[in-house]
Amino acid sequence: AQKVTQAQTEISVVEKEDVTLDCVYETRDTTYYLFWYKQPPSGELVFLIRRNSFDEQNEISGRYSWNFQKSTSSFNFTITASQVVDSAVYFCALSEGSNTGNQFYFGTGTSLTVIP
Amino acid sequence: DAMVIQNPRYQVTQFGKPVTLSCSQTLNHNVMYWYQQKSSQAPKLLFHYYDKDFNNEADTPDNFQSRRPNTSFCFLDIRSPGLGDAAMYLCATSGTGRWETQYFGPGTRLLVL
Repeated sequence: AQKVTQAQTEISVVEKEDVTLDCVYETRDTTYYLFWYKQPPSGELVFLIRRNSFDEQNEISGRYSWNFQKSTSSFNFTITASQVVDSAVYFCALSEGSNTGNQFYFGTGTSLTVIP
Repeated sequence: DAMVIQNPRYQVTQFGKPVTLSCSQTLNHNVMYWYQQKSSQAPKLLFHYYDKDFNNEADTPDNFQSRRPNTSFCFLDIRSPGLGDAAMYLCATSGTGRWETQYFGPGTRLLVL
């Protein structure tokens, strides 16, 4: 079973629109960690945020915000006033506290295109 | 700036001709990873090192090998590349805790002719 699901394969928005990228995860662990990465066309995975399972506070960083809800096992990512530079593939990932190694479970990614 | 460096950024090889990709890091992290990423897919973990301890994923083909001569460097050897091995290869590093963020290099895009 897929541990991290990103149901949106591709999203297109017009510049300055807000957009939310969905991430739903599955784990039996009580301790786990969630991550978002951005992968621009150049290919490098850029770390955006980490959240641990004990911290449900939402976070805002500039135009980026994250909504973590344990009740629905979701960790959604919103970009406000999108810009062309936000065009990239975004990956959500899960690390479980019971890992024998530091394995990340990646979602399949959401490709975001921001149209000028 | 502390970082993860991968060389080369692009590598072209011939079918069956061995190739080595390199990764170095200045983050002084104990754990290093190699991922394979094919077009429109998530990165797939090939193996990782806890310091010098090598951990192979169960479904990583024998054609892929790795070496970590010291903390800073890690190499990915593909002994006999096939057309299906054309992909982006990503190196990452992290600390040893399960909460640790993995930091990625820019990747090496491998083309097999």
